Amino acid sequence: TAGITQAPTSQILAAGRSMTLRCTQDMRHNAMYWYRQDLGLGLRLIHYSNTAGTTGKGEVPDGYSVSRANTDDFPLTLASAVPSQTSVYFCASSEGGGAADTQYFGPGTRLTVL
Amino acid sequence: GQNIDQPTEMTATEGAIVQINCTYQTSGFNGLFWYQQHAGEAPTFLSYNVLDGLEEKGRFSSFLSRSKGYSYLLLKELQMKDSASYLCAVPDSNYQLIWGAGTKLIIKP
Repeated sequence: TAGITQAPTSQILAAGRSMTLRCTQDMRHNAMYWYRQDLGLGLRLIHYSNTAGTTGKGEVPDGYSVSRANTDDFPLTLASAVPSQTSVYFCASSEGGGAADTQYFGPGTRLTVL
Repeated sequence: GQNIDQPTEMTATEGAIVQINCTYQTSGFNGLFWYQQHAGEAPTFLSYNVLDGLEEKGRFSSFLSRSKGYSYLLLKELQMKDSASYLCAVPDSNYQLIWGAGTKLIIKP
């Protein structure tokens, strides 16, 4: 199985433009997550979804939005990109949203906002 | 609040043993995860500890002391492919993971 896929692999975006990062999983996991990873900082949670139809805000949600229309897909949208959103974005999923659930990560999207 | 501390970088020799420490502060405790992340790649799961003690999994072992808010990852018989960052994470009260900044492990021949 493919596990989790993300698209695009990398992108250069002009400030003020909008963009959607795509994430799809084929493991039928209930919970999905979006993180950003910046040099010297740990992974920081942007948004999460414990089940299709529900979403929640993480540690750094400002400037980002998500939707969870079905189990497999969890797109992340930047409505108006700013340079501080330059980062590597990882999507992850877990079988449930519990404390002991192992998270599985996609390959990441490297985004540069100029 | 939540806080996780790990050393930024460690260096070890191929074939040796290395211990990577992680200290945490949480309002409640729901276990501790270790992940491995090679440069330019996604994190991958290594271990999950919820009870005190040492859990061994091949060349890798993970230890937890809940009373001390302390964990370590022990890597034995180091191989060049073990060069990676090792991430420690604990769930917060909403079961969302709080991550340490990671320890970059450099293996020298």
